[in-house]
Amino acid sequence: DTGVSQNPRHKITKRGQNVTFRCDPISEHNRLYWYRQTLGQGPEFLTYFQNEAQLEKSRLLSDRFSAERPKGSFSTLEIQRTEQGDSAMYLCASSLGGVTTGELFFGEGSRLTVL
Amino acid sequence: RKEVEQDPGPFNVPEGATVAFNCTYSNSASQSFFWYRQDCRKEPKLLMSVYSSGNEDGRFTAQLNRASQYISLLIRDSKLSDSATYLCVGVNAGNMLTFGGGTRLMVKP
Repeated sequence: DTGVSQNPRHKITKRGQNVTFRCDPISEHNRLYWYRQTLGQGPEFLTYFQNEAQLEKSRLLSDRFSAERPKGSFSTLEIQRTEQGDSAMYLCASSLGGVTTGELFFGEGSRLTVL
Repeated sequence: RKEVEQDPGPFNVPEGATVAFNCTYSNSASQSFFWYRQDCRKEPKLLMSVYSSGNEDGRFTAQLNRASQYISLLIRDSKLSDSATYLCVGVNAGNMLTFGGGTRLMVKP
């Protein structure tokens, strides 16, 4: 499978714990995006990497959230001291080039449930 | 105000019907718009781009009205397999794709 891969697919954690999600983009894609989606809503932009550089962060990304893409390949999204409001689907997407074509390739997402 | 707004629906239509969705956008400088489709519990996938002159792809027609800042998607001869959530997408001031909340379509036999 050469699509975007995310893991874990599901994570249940207790409030206050830290969680980390991993995204493996399509191999030749230099751009990687993290979005968050809650039930009945569209995806909300969190952050964006071009190669290893994090070029854009949404104000939704509080200081409890950190994302990395150390070698310009896979990326991790860590949430520290999770809160119930963090429960959502975390979607990773990749693309080759900018948004002109509009085509982001999404992974199947990592669903987080904070108890 | 959200940058891209859509009627959440659901739109319940019989097979074979024609259905249209609209969405409005706030960033008048945005040049690019798209429709994505998201099946239940699946990831979003690009359905089609929206060009200024309007564009058609089989049973699907997308149109852009810059003066009124809205985008439309028309689906003709609806199929059961068209049942999904349709996400209207624009490009925000930060040059990132920004998604509307989605319009849910249910096509019934």
